[in-house]
Amino acid sequence: QKEVEQNSGPLSVPEGAIASLNCTYSDRGSQSFFWYRQYSGKSPELIMSIYSNGDKEDGRFTAQLNKASQYVSLLIRDSQPSDSATYLCAVNTGFQKLVFGTGTRLLVSP
Amino acid sequence: SQTIHQWPATLVQPVGSPLSLECTVEGTSNPNLYWYRQAAGRGLQLLFYSVGIGQISSEVPQNLSASRPQDRQFILSSKKLLLSDSGFYLCAWRPPMNEKLFFGSGTQLSVL
Repeated sequence: QKEVEQNSGPLSVPEGAIASLNCTYSDRGSQSFFWYRQYSGKSPELIMSIYSNGDKEDGRFTAQLNKASQYVSLLIRDSQPSDSATYLCAVNTGFQKLVFGTGTRLLVSP
Repeated sequence: SQTIHQWPATLVQPVGSPLSLECTVEGTSNPNLYWYRQAAGRGLQLLFYSVGIGQISSEVPQNLSASRPQDRQFILSSKKLLLSDSGFYLCAWRPPMNEKLFFGSGTQLSVL
């Protein structure tokens, strides 16, 4: 079983819609969770971090964490074509390292 | 402010040739340093990490090695490249007592 799993997509949404990206993880002891955005040919950029159950909002982005279900999600409201990218979920498994999912490709059409 | 420098941006090397990629971090002390590789269409694979000078932890046994000769310098090396070494190599750093990871701009390595 993969440690961090994401649907590879692509997830296609129209401009202005809400994009919902999901991630599950296997290590029940994980405490820190992160979302990165990666444009094609570029390095990943940290956009959200979440440590407690519930929602965390930052602008158009909302991260949701449910530790009991081992589930993390990222909502992007009012999606824009510039949001088209691959979104990577990362989980801190301890021992000084993050484990990444393979990413979900998001396509926002004008 | 802290910055991370990684070079070169692009590299084309023949099979069997050596490799040296370098990464430096500015504006911080005693960072945790990481090398990741991302193969085409695949996720990020952790190759090495370091919590201090001369301290290297290897995650994947292969023909790559890493060294940390100075506090803010991390080097990825190979004596003989394989075709399977092609990929996007990313250096990353994490501040002490902080779990957030920040990436350099990456090196696209093509082994031909």
